[in-house]
Amino acid sequence: DTEVTQTPKHLVMGMTNKKSLKCEQHMGHRAMYWYKQKAKKPPELMFVYSYEKLSINESVPSRFSPECPNSSLLNLHLHALQPEDSALYLCASSLIGDTQYFGPGTRLTVL
Amino acid sequence: AQSVAQPEDQVNVAEGNPLTVKCTYSVSGNPYLFWYVQYPNRGLQFLLKYITGDNLVKGSYGFEAEFNKSQTSFHLKKPSALVSDSALYFCAVTPRQGTASKLTFGTGTRLQVTL
Repeated sequence: DTEVTQTPKHLVMGMTNKKSLKCEQHMGHRAMYWYKQKAKKPPELMFVYSYEKLSINESVPSRFSPECPNSSLLNLHLHALQPEDSALYLCASSLIGDTQYFGPGTRLTVL
Repeated sequence: AQSVAQPEDQVNVAEGNPLTVKCTYSVSGNPYLFWYVQYPNRGLQFLLKYITGDNLVKGSYGFEAEFNKSQTSFHLKKPSALVSDSALYFCAVTPRQGTASKLTFGTGTRLQVTL
């Protein structure tokens, strides 16, 4: 089973809202990732967690706040987003140094 | 720094014909190379990877890829295309370093298979 689940599938939020994206995997993977994908573009890495610790932050604005409460869960907390943050947010997980498996994504629209 | 180039924005092929989607890469040291496919409004689906060993890698749905170290290429191939193969294909690279690393993607190639 190589399933990564993400909720919600769609999210519409205003610029003053606070919301969270959730990602879950039960494959025993100890690395989890957040990517952002704009339309017709490749995914761009935002954050990497390795053994539940943040290991890579690709200079992401502080209005995006990741959290890894345990080895199966990854959250992305959103606050005071801008319309240009509208995108598909993809979560992935992997064994350390191995293939990344992606979830279906959350389509975020910021009004 | 690592980078991936996919020189074709779109590849058109008739069903039943062979297909090739091109990818070249640049990375320090030895690479891990991947192909992913993305259907509309969906996440990325892993197709195949090259780590070491045989230069011809076989993956899901009849796809294969050929690693060429001298040409730094990793072209995706399929002997007989299906209409259902129509999708967006991404080549990706990560350095072989045994850590949770950044996947760097190419710009993507849209494959259009017609009857």
